[in-house]
Order: sequence, then structure tokens, then C-alpha cells
Amino acid sequence: AQSVSQHNHHVILSEAASLELGCNYSYGGTVNLFWYVQYPGQHLQLLLKYFSGDPLVKGIKGFEAEFIKSKFSFNLRKPSVQWSDTAEYFCAVNAPGRDDKIIFGKGTRLHILP
Amino acid sequence: SAVISQKPSRDICQRGTSLTIQCQVDSQVTMMFWYRQQPGQSLTLIATANQGSEATYESGFVIDKFPISRPNLTFSTLTVSNMSPEDSSIYLCSVDRGMKNEQYFGPGTRLTVT
Repeated sequence: AQSVSQHNHHVILSEAASLELGCNYSYGGTVNLFWYVQYPGQHLQLLLKYFSGDPLVKGIKGFEAEFIKSKFSFNLRKPSVQWSDTAEYFCAVNAPGRDDKIIFGKGTRLHILP
Repeated sequence: SAVISQKPSRDICQRGTSLTIQCQVDSQVTMMFWYRQQPGQSLTLIATANQGSEATYESGFVIDKFPISRPNLTFSTLTVSNMSPEDSSIYLCSVDRGMKNEQYFGPGTRLTVT
């Protein structure tokens, strides 16, 4: 069965610091990978996604993620965080052609200090 | 993207009662999903609801406890039956609009069972 591991449960950074949130998945076949974000009091929304092609994916608000197939990883990065990035971030994986389910990691709560 | 609404947004219910949560989408979709997000946990898929067929439940979830209706392509309901405090959670509806299993989420229903 597919699973997703997010290594950091709670991250606290100061504004302008660089961010990297770890995500590893377990599934040997072709995968679609996602990062979702949930800002305080708001809906869960898609931040970025990887389906194929360039393993470095750019999303909204300056976020990017790199798919490293050999490491089964899809880490989220941002070179300089802002206070408004305070949110919970979820990594997710889907196995296309196998089923349509998206499996989520436990989430990382990011708190940016002004 | 899809606009998804859920009713109610929150409720406090007595043990042993049932609550039906509604999910409305602004356009026709084939697949709708129901998730649960318990405090401090990730999203867990309860079931997949396709119009015109029985919902498909994930391991650990059964139809008697979480009956689902999908009467048309824009609407679904999830009932949480015979509730206990362990059912306290946020229940989320999502839809798959794209060809690549990209899901959009509703705002969620926060359920507290006393």
C-alpha cells in the first residue's frame, strides 16, 4: 500500500529564512505527487503538483518541490519565507492507473515568526 | 478549479445520534471523495462516491456507519451514524476535476460529539 511520510511535524522559522519540508513516499510504480496547504481558517488548497517531466516543479507563492525518484522524495522548498506562509502543509501521493485515491502525509505545521 | 460548499460548517451532536453532511459542487463531476481529519492527524479517505453506483469504502470504514448518497453529478451526502466522541473530526468533501487526479476540497464540517 502507498504511504507518505513527512518528517517534520512542527517547524518554526523567522521571516526570510529558507524552508525545506521533507516528504517521502512508498510506492514502486509511477506516481503523481502533490503538496497541499491549509492556511488558518481556510480550505485545503493545492500548492503544486508533479505528474511527469521536469522533476523540479514550481508552484504558487514562490514554492517549489523536487521529485527525486531514487530517493522516493518530494521535498518542498522556499528560499525566503514570509509571515503569511504560516500554515499546515500536506504532502500527498497518487498512483495513476492503479486507483484514484490520494494518500496524504500527516502534515507539517509551519509557523513563521514576524 | 471547482467551488465546493459543505453544510453544516460545524455541529455539536449528542452521542448516539446521526448527522448528515451535504456537499455541493458548482459543476458536474464524476468522482467525489469523503475524508476525515481527526485532531492532529492527516486526512484519511473514508470512501469514494461515483454517481450511479455504490460508494467504495476504505479499510476501517463501513456503509452502516457512514452511509453515502450520490444522487447526481453535483451533490453528495455523508451520514455519520450512531455517533460517539471518537467521531469528533473534520469531515471534508473533495472532487476530482482534472485528468490527473487533482483534487479540490470543500471547507469541511467540524463535528464535535459529546
